[in-house]
Amino acid sequence: AQTVTQSQPEMSVQEAETVTLSCTYDTSESDYYLFWYKQPPSRQMILVIRQEAYKQQNATENRFSVNFQKAAKSFSLKISDSQLGDAAMYFCAYGPVRGNKLVFGAGTILRVKS
Amino acid sequence: DAGVIQSPRHEVTEMGQEVTLRCKPISGHNSLFWYRQTMMRGLELLIYFNNNVPIDDSGMPEDRFSAKMPNASFSTLKIQPSEPRDSAVYFCASSPNLNGYTFGSGTRLTVV
Repeated sequence: AQTVTQSQPEMSVQEAETVTLSCTYDTSESDYYLFWYKQPPSRQMILVIRQEAYKQQNATENRFSVNFQKAAKSFSLKISDSQLGDAAMYFCAYGPVRGNKLVFGAGTILRVKS
Repeated sequence: DAGVIQSPRHEVTEMGQEVTLRCKPISGHNSLFWYRQTMMRGLELLIYFNNNVPIDDSGMPEDRFSAKMPNASFSTLKIQPSEPRDSAVYFCASSPNLNGYTFGSGTRLTVV
């Protein structure tokens, strides 16, 4: 069974600085999707970024980028120029190409200091 | 596009009562998921439907939980009878495929 591990329960970053959130996963599949979701205090789950495993190029969305290391089964999220609005719980998730359900990590709380 | 719509947003009920949570997926999305979020267990998939048919209900904790999807635009998650340990945030999500997985705002259930 696939598993997703987020080893950092909490992280802090100074406003305008850069922070990296870690995620590792376990799978025997060669093709799959990986996601980062943001959950602010409003509790809405918001898709931040998506990576397709067959693509070697790391996905980027504005200030958010990933470091996808397929051999190491690692999928970290880098947030550049951190803003107060980035404070939230961040979830890493794995999704198989076949089948349709996501497996989530336990989440990392990100605090942004002004 | 109104997104995935869940109701109610908050529900407080007494132990032993029946609780029904509702979800309207995004039109055209053929998969629907029910997740439960707690501090202790994080996000757990309870059940998911594909084209209105339940595909995997292995996450449903007990017979007290049941879910239905009578048509492509509506699903319910029912707990009968409810217990305090069922208190959690319940999310519904829909997807046309694995590229688009959209969550509703969730229902916070408190069973006293």
